[in-house]
Amino acid sequence: NAGVTQTPKFRILKIGQSMTLQCTQDMNHNYMYWYRQDPGMGLKLIYYSVGAGITDKGEVPNGYNVSRSTTEDFPLRLELAAPSQTSVYFCASIKAGSTNEKLFFGSGTQLSVL
Amino acid sequence: DAKTTQPTSMDCAEGRAANLPCNHSTISGNEYVYWYRQIHSQGPQYIIHGLKNNETNEMASLIITEDRKSSTLILPHATLRDTAVYYCIVRVMGGKLIFGQGTELSVKP
Repeated sequence: NAGVTQTPKFRILKIGQSMTLQCTQDMNHNYMYWYRQDPGMGLKLIYYSVGAGITDKGEVPNGYNVSRSTTEDFPLRLELAAPSQTSVYFCASIKAGSTNEKLFFGSGTQLSVL
Repeated sequence: DAKTTQPTSMDCAEGRAANLPCNHSTISGNEYVYWYRQIHSQGPQYIIHGLKNNETNEMASLIITEDRKSSTLILPHATLRDTAVYYCIVRVMGGKLIFGQGTELSVKP
């Protein structure tokens, strides 16, 4: 298993540009999450999904959109990039309801909006 | 949503036990307590989780009070490599996973 794979690892955007952060997992996990982490701060939940076709807002959803058309993929879309979205983004997944519920994280995407 | 409260920072001498407290006084009966740690800007690493009973694995022990309003993560013999930010979080049954600010643990020689 590759685990949770995020692409790209680094990206620089200009203000107003749009992009999609990709996240895929091959562990048949039902729950998936997107977090952002600003320098020196904790992780903030952007969106999460408890299954294909189901998404819900987290703590800081403004400026982002998500979709979950398959169990494996959970892309995060930034429509109009702003400097306030400069952050490290982590995708995570978990097999909720299993006997060993571990949250697996991707390696992160470092995004700069200039 | 259950929220957690942790001290901002703690120090521990190398080789000693590190005891990291967490308050989750609003936790519901079917919500799990999880502990993760993050070293530098890497993705958080799973340590341990529990519901009611105390738990132990190769990394740590988790002590949950009988009323489940607080818990303590114990690293039995802290090493310099255990220096990290430790997060205590509660998984709500609806799926939401909220991280707090965590405890920055410094293990000193």
